[in-house]
Amino acid sequence: EIVMTQSPATLSVSPGERATLSCRASQSVSSNLAWYQQKPGQAPRLLIYGASTRATGIPARFSGSGSGTEFTLTISSLQSEDFAVYYCQQYNNWPSFGGGTKVEIK
Amino acid sequence: EVQLVQSGAEVKKPGESLKISCKGSGYSFTSYWIGWVRQMPGKGLEWMGIIYPGDSDTRYSPSFQGQVTISADKSISTAYLQWSSLKASDTAMYYCGIGSGSSGWFDPWGQGTLVTVSS
Repeated sequence: EIVMTQSPATLSVSPGERATLSCRASQSVSSNLAWYQQKPGQAPRLLIYGASTRATGIPARFSGSGSGTEFTLTISSLQSEDFAVYYCQQYNNWPSFGGGTKVEIK
Repeated sequence: EVQLVQSGAEVKKPGESLKISCKGSGYSFTSYWIGWVRQMPGKGLEWMGIIYPGDSDTRYSPSFQGQVTISADKSISTAYLQWSSLKASDTAMYYCGIGSGSSGWFDPWGQGTLVTVSS
């Protein structure tokens, strides 16, 4: 089983600032990585797939990078609606999710 | 609009059986995988398994193999997740999602079904 580790667990950021979230895989997953956003009481929403391709309708302030075992989700200028929990998911093998990063208002 | 609509919240007792549903619309139901994800209270996401309604090819995460059954009825564009004997530890929110493949990302997701198991 591939273990996905996200850091930090909580990220405190002021609106308008840049947020950088990390996701590490216990073995290489190539570029088979997705990112999701989940707000309280809502289902997750796909942001990024293929490590760096934005899903339909996702604003350009969201970007993904990385390959192999190290991945990053960057939110260039945080808006009020971006405060949420973010999960990475590998799908190179049996799919598995990271534990999540909560982005909260500083 | 591609949409998945899940059945409503359930409250069950330990040992009871349960089948929850996920109805697809706005796309060719038999041409895309549908998967299930568990989210226990206050916790993260866990991939449970996935089915291809076109031929009922089904894959389970090793963690959930034997614990649940995934099925689909393509005549009514609906996928199911069922338990034969619920445990308190099955209390969770369950989401379905359209999979990009047998092992892929999910998009879109259903709204979730809350299952509460308590004596």
